[in-house]
Amino acid sequence: GENVEQHPSTLSVQEGDSAVIKCTYSDSASNYFPWYKQELGKRPQLIIDIRSNVGEKKDQRIAVTLNKTAKHFSLHITETQPEDSAVYFCAASEGYSTLTFGKGTMLLVSP
Amino acid sequence: NAGVTQTPKFRVLKTGQSMTLLCAQDMNHEYMYWYRQDPGMGLRLIHYSVGEGTTAKGEVPDGYNVSRLKKQNFLLGLESAAPSQTSVYFCASKGGAGEWRVFGPGTRLTVT
Repeated sequence: GENVEQHPSTLSVQEGDSAVIKCTYSDSASNYFPWYKQELGKRPQLIIDIRSNVGEKKDQRIAVTLNKTAKHFSLHITETQPEDSAVYFCAASEGYSTLTFGKGTMLLVSP
Repeated sequence: NAGVTQTPKFRVLKTGQSMTLLCAQDMNHEYMYWYRQDPGMGLRLIHYSVGEGTTAKGEVPDGYNVSRLKKQNFLLGLESAAPSQTSVYFCASKGGAGEWRVFGPGTRLTVT
């Protein structure tokens, strides 16, 4: 089955800096890569996703890049704000039934 | 439109007791999932359903059973609870191919 590795496990940045979270996946058949944000005590919420036929996708301060050859994808957050502090999960899916999650990155943005 | 709801929000069980967690969605979604979330482990899939009357095992199915008798509901059962099942349980649903998962608010279960 699919295996998703996520790094780093914690990331501390100053407000206004950029943050990058990286994930690798094992199954070359995976074709859908979402990112979820989970605030403390809340449910995971989708923030951005990318499909294997696209190399990069942006949504305001958030961007995701995908390198299919190397089997890795990354989340980029620019101009970080304190409200970006949360746990971020990457995930990979080879179909429409199951989704394998990384173990999460706790992002702390200090004012 | 309530989205995905879960009942109960919190529960404390003693070892050996049984219980059922209810997940309900009002978005007419075909796919429904049960995940457990443990510190440092991310979200792990327990069971899932691709439509009414269907169920399938996920990554960590042992000790759990599920049923999908109605399209809008997905039940997760623990027949004999163990302390290792202490976790936060999230239900999720998804519409047709290509749509993202919508998560419920979670159920915090403690087994003593």
